[in-house]
Parts: sequence; structure tokens; C-alpha cells
Amino acid sequence: SQTIHQWPATLVQPVGSPLSLECTVEGTSNPNLYWYRQAAGRGLQLLFYSVGIGQISSEVPQNLSASRPQDRQFILSSKKLLLSDSGFYLCAWGTNYGYTFGSGTRLTVV
Amino acid sequence: GENVEQHPSTLSVQEGDSAVIKCTYSDSASNYFPWYKQELGKGPQLIIDIRSNVGEKKDQRIAVTLNKTAKHFSLHITETQPEDSAVYFCAAIGGGADGLTFGKGTHLIIQP
Repeated sequence: SQTIHQWPATLVQPVGSPLSLECTVEGTSNPNLYWYRQAAGRGLQLLFYSVGIGQISSEVPQNLSASRPQDRQFILSSKKLLLSDSGFYLCAWGTNYGYTFGSGTRLTVV
Repeated sequence: GENVEQHPSTLSVQEGDSAVIKCTYSDSASNYFPWYKQELGKGPQLIIDIRSNVGEKKDQRIAVTLNKTAKHFSLHITETQPEDSAVYFCAAIGGGADGLTFGKGTHLIIQP
């Protein structure tokens, strides 16, 4: 069965520090992978998606970047965090038969 | 692109009563409509989904209906229980790889 791992679960970082969130998928090959951000308690905003190694599409301009160095690995990064980057970050993989989310990372920028 | 509207933003029902959450979408090419339940501090979990070639789908106390002509779909929860309290998201997707478009969520509160 397919599983998705996301870490860390929580993270507190100072403004201006770098960020690296990692997501890995097991049990599937060549998945479509996604990074979402959930701010202010509810709404889910698509940040990046990837249909293959090295292929990254960005949905919104921001202080973040994404990379896919391996088929089942998706990384969300920032060189210098802003206060507005605080939120709940979710990785997901999807096919035409459904989407599965990771457990999320709660990022607080202080 | 796709735009999904979800109502209400908060819904409070008495335990045992039914709850209905409604969503509309804008892209007539969308063909997959999942519903997710998110508990505090956790990732969304798929609870039911429906494809555009089906009008209704039921799984125990949960059902989803789809009206393609009107471009709306609804989640129905019957005999609500305290553990149904959570935030529920609807979503829609067309044929592209840019992922699901989510509604803004409904905070469902089950009153004992």
C-alpha cells in the first residue's frame, strides 16, 4: 500500500533562517507530488506540484522553492524565512484515483 | 482555473441529526470530487469521493451527491456523532496535473 512520510511534525524557526521540509512516498512510482499550505486555520493553498524528477510547477509567487531530486522525494525550501511563512504545510501525492496527504508540518516563524 | 466555493463555513448540529455541506465548482471539465475530514493538527483524510459519471455515492452514514448540470456537489452525514466534529473540505479536479482545488472548509460541530 502507498504511504507518505512528512517531517518534521513541528518546527520553530527565526526570521531569516533557512527551511527544508521533506516528503517521501512509498509504494508507488512516478507519483504526482504536491505541497500545500494551510494558514489561518482552514484554507488549503497549492504551492508547488511536480509530475516527475526535476519538474516543478509553482502556483503562487512566494519566498519558497521546491525540488524533486528523486522520484519519491519532494522538498520544500526557503533561503530566508519570513513571518508570513508560518502555517501548516502538507505534502500530498495524487493520481486520477485519489490523493493522499502527509501528516503535516506546523511551521512557526518567530 | 477551477474555483470551488463551500458553504457553510461553520455548521453546528445536535448529535443524531443530519449535516449537509454544499460546494459549487466552476470548471465543467472537472471530473473528480473528493471530500476530506481534517482533525486538529492532522492532515486531511479522504472520507468519500465521487466521479462525474455518478450522481450519488453512499458509505454507511456518509453520502455525496453530484449535480453536473448545476455544478454542485454535497456531503450528507446522517446520525451524527461527536467524533464527526472536524473541518471538512470539498475539492475538485479536472484533467490537469496541478492538483485539487479546495473549498475553504466547513467546521462541523456536533452538540451533545
